[in-house]
Amino acid sequence: DQQVKQNSPSLSVQEGRISILNCDYTNSMFDYFLWYKKYPAEGPTFLISISSIKDKNEDGRFTVFLNKSAKHLSLHIVPSQPGDSAVYFCAAFGNEKLTFGTGTRLTIIP
Amino acid sequence: DGGITQSPKYLFRKEGQNVTLSCEQNLNHDAMYWYRQDPGQGLRLIYYSQIVNDFQKGDIAEGYSVSREKKESFPLTVTSAQKNPTAFYLCASSWDRQKPLHFGNGTRLTVT
Repeated sequence: DQQVKQNSPSLSVQEGRISILNCDYTNSMFDYFLWYKKYPAEGPTFLISISSIKDKNEDGRFTVFLNKSAKHLSLHIVPSQPGDSAVYFCAAFGNEKLTFGTGTRLTIIP
Repeated sequence: DGGITQSPKYLFRKEGQNVTLSCEQNLNHDAMYWYRQDPGQGLRLIYYSQIVNDFQKGDIAEGYSVSREKKESFPLTVTSAQKNPTAFYLCASSWDRQKPLHFGNGTRLTVT
């Protein structure tokens, strides 16, 4: 039972354009959401988070949007840069633990 | 320079042998976690510990064991009972429940 889903395994975006990564969840008890970035053979690094009481959080080039009624969140990266090429995981916190999605591999095309 | 150290980076074992993966943190975090990453399955929680001498099973604890004798250390033992032990194992820590996890760089375990 996959409670956090990232339905796009991969995404390619031109450098300078906007990258939009999507994530859906099923558990209405989730109250805190995070995005992590992961390079091969390394641990994930935290990017940005959002509490369920907000619908938007922005940090530099990264913005996370939360639509609670649709149980959907998205990560926008503007403008996309070559160093953004990585696997992105969304994660949701509930029941004292963090549940991760399956990841989306983002490739930025120069 | 604070962080989480996982060792070794690569580990090879024969089937039927137990193996222990090391995780040490100097961030003074109370909570520590073990995740497993398999292709196409994201990160799955094996065990977690919120304080010393206490730990709880995650979603896929069967075939694994942990200990938390010191705040800084949370070793994971992959036992011979684990059916598919070959994977990338990640250790993480955090201040408390709603603070982002800090991850180590992982240990890739290969069992043949």
